[in-house]
Amino acid sequence: GAGVSQSPSNKVTEKGKDVELRCDPISGHTALYWYRQRLGQGLEFLIYFQGNSAPDKSGLPSDRFSAERTGESVSTLTIQRTQQEDSAVYLCASSTPPLSTIYFGEGSWLTVV
Amino acid sequence: SQQGEEDPQALSIQEGENATMNCSYKTSINNLQWYRQNSGRGLVHLILIRSNEREKHSGRLRVTLDTSKKSSSLLITASRAADTASYFCATTPQGQNFVFGPGTRLSVLP
Repeated sequence: GAGVSQSPSNKVTEKGKDVELRCDPISGHTALYWYRQRLGQGLEFLIYFQGNSAPDKSGLPSDRFSAERTGESVSTLTIQRTQQEDSAVYLCASSTPPLSTIYFGEGSWLTVV
Repeated sequence: SQQGEEDPQALSIQEGENATMNCSYKTSINNLQWYRQNSGRGLVHLILIRSNEREKHSGRLRVTLDTSKKSSSLLITASRAADTASYFCATTPQGQNFVFGPGTRLSVLP
């Protein structure tokens, strides 16, 4: 596609429910990144996929967070048993080659009530 | 402190003035990039400067890089109200992934 696409744009969920956030990167981009940004804060790295290499999961804050990517296409970030502290914007970005300019989606606003 | 840390945290200027934001980092880098974010949504890439470059221009933007001091600055000349946004620097320590600083919130008053 023309840009990085994320869905849903906004999600309100009850505490304890699971949520899935989707990212469709720019076609042909081999690298895909997930970041979390709490209100008024900077970007917090979550996970990085590069081609078929093992993902860098070092930023995932707990085992409630997981992400998958099939090949060089769509990625899904899953948050299980959501907590109020998970409320944030979740930003996805892609690039190719890796470590070059990264292009961001508009983010998914998650509110846990 | 974290890799890629901007200062000031917030900056308020009048339209037409220049705005300067600084970024400091800790480890050696491949490149450093500046991004802009409006209203908490997606970030937009502004400019990339490689570790072997010292200065780069793009329109009203001027970026400098001093690898000996591990710092970079972003200068926006002749600012406009539309430049009001948060500005982030991003580095690639260890060549693995991008690390963003907490950002500088710029307000340009008409």
